[in-house]
Amino acid sequence: DTEVTQTPKHLVMGMTNKKSLKCEQHMGHRAMYWYKQKAKKPPELMFVYSYEKLSINESVPSRFSPECPNSSLLNLHLHALQPEDSALYLCASSPTGQDYGYTFGSGTRLTVV
Amino acid sequence: GENVEQHPSTLSVQEGDSAVIKCTYSDSASNYFPWYKQELGKRPQLIIDIRSNVGEKKDQRIAVTLNKTAKHFSLHITETQPEDSAVYFCARSGGSNYKLTFGKGTLLTVNP
Repeated sequence: DTEVTQTPKHLVMGMTNKKSLKCEQHMGHRAMYWYKQKAKKPPELMFVYSYEKLSINESVPSRFSPECPNSSLLNLHLHALQPEDSALYLCASSPTGQDYGYTFGSGTRLTVV
Repeated sequence: GENVEQHPSTLSVQEGDSAVIKCTYSDSASNYFPWYKQELGKRPQLIIDIRSNVGEKKDQRIAVTLNKTAKHFSLHITETQPEDSAVYFCARSGGSNYKLTFGKGTLLTVNP
């Protein structure tokens, strides 16, 4: 299995809702990432997990809460989002180490209404 | 710092021509330089990468060159085809974490 699987593919949520994005990989990668991508922009790093521990939080607002239950799963819990949080949320994974490319999931297209 | 400058932001070529996209970085700790292709509505996909101990790498019609002294690297696509049309992102990593920093992207259009 050489894929990163993200669910759901599309999500529409109200500003008072609580929802979660899920990401799964079975490549044995021990680094996992959440990225946010706005239209016509590069992916923007949100969180990095290394060996299931949060190693980087790029000053992301607390309405985004990551979780890494095990080495194959990564969640992003969403609460009280704003319309400007609407974007494509990409999960990625890589072997640990500094010279490996990421494998990206196909993303969750999030719309906050 | 960790920033990457990418040029041009848009590039239009005729089918069969070559396309070159250039990136520069400033962090001397950078040691890994991947290139991603992202088609509209799809995920970024790794198309080629190069490590700091190598000056050039080629994979069929795609090549990447790295000049560590000048701190720049380039993507070369030869014999372009309409299906090469996409946004291309350069990136770099290195230093004390696994963070990839992306350039702003180049929208490549290959006209038939």
